[in-house]
Amino acid sequence: GQNIDQPTEMTATEGAIVQINCTYQTSGFNGLFWYQQHAGEAPTFLSYNVLDGLEEKGRFSSFLSRSKGYSYLLLKELQMKDSASYLCAVRDRGSTLGRLYFGRGTQLTVWP
Amino acid sequence: DGGITQSPKYLFRKEGQNVTLSCEQNLNHDAMYWYRQDPGQGLRLIYYSQIVNDFQKGDIAEGYSVSREKKESFPLTVTSAQKNPTAFYLCASIGTSLGEQYFGPGTRLTVT
Repeated sequence: GQNIDQPTEMTATEGAIVQINCTYQTSGFNGLFWYQQHAGEAPTFLSYNVLDGLEEKGRFSSFLSRSKGYSYLLLKELQMKDSASYLCAVRDRGSTLGRLYFGRGTQLTVWP
Repeated sequence: DGGITQSPKYLFRKEGQNVTLSCEQNLNHDAMYWYRQDPGQGLRLIYYSQIVNDFQKGDIAEGYSVSREKKESFPLTVTSAQKNPTAFYLCASIGTSLGEQYFGPGTRLTVT
């Protein structure tokens, strides 16, 4: 089966940097996605990695190592509004229309 | 504006009743998905459809049914056979670029 692991909870202070890790074991690999979900709301897309390396998008960066089955999401200059759940998802194979497998999410709390 | 709409946002039903959740998109996306989310859990796939008049079961399809008669619409029926229907239901669709999923605002269903 597909297995995607991420820490349940993390805390950090405003202005700091936090790294949220995700490890995966899937039968194939065709891309890894990070989503942000505020309480009671729908997830919103943050980043996508399909090749090894770092993708940077403003305060957020995402890293992928396919050989290690590992990714992380790096959030810099944390703000209170970054308090949310962060979901890691893997597309195991097939076309870009293929289904995603989601981790349980990491609840990040940012303190002032 | 293009997007995904789900209605209603909150839905209350008595046990034993079937209920249909609406999902409409005007993004011209081919693939559509239904997920269920329980507190502290990730997203679990119920059903998905990659083309009109075709759909596949996800990981937790028992007690649910869907139809895909039009590209824009993918309604989900929660039947009385679903043992624990109270949850947050999310509909998503995929375009053809990275294959990231766009989510609707969700419907919170409470069955008593």
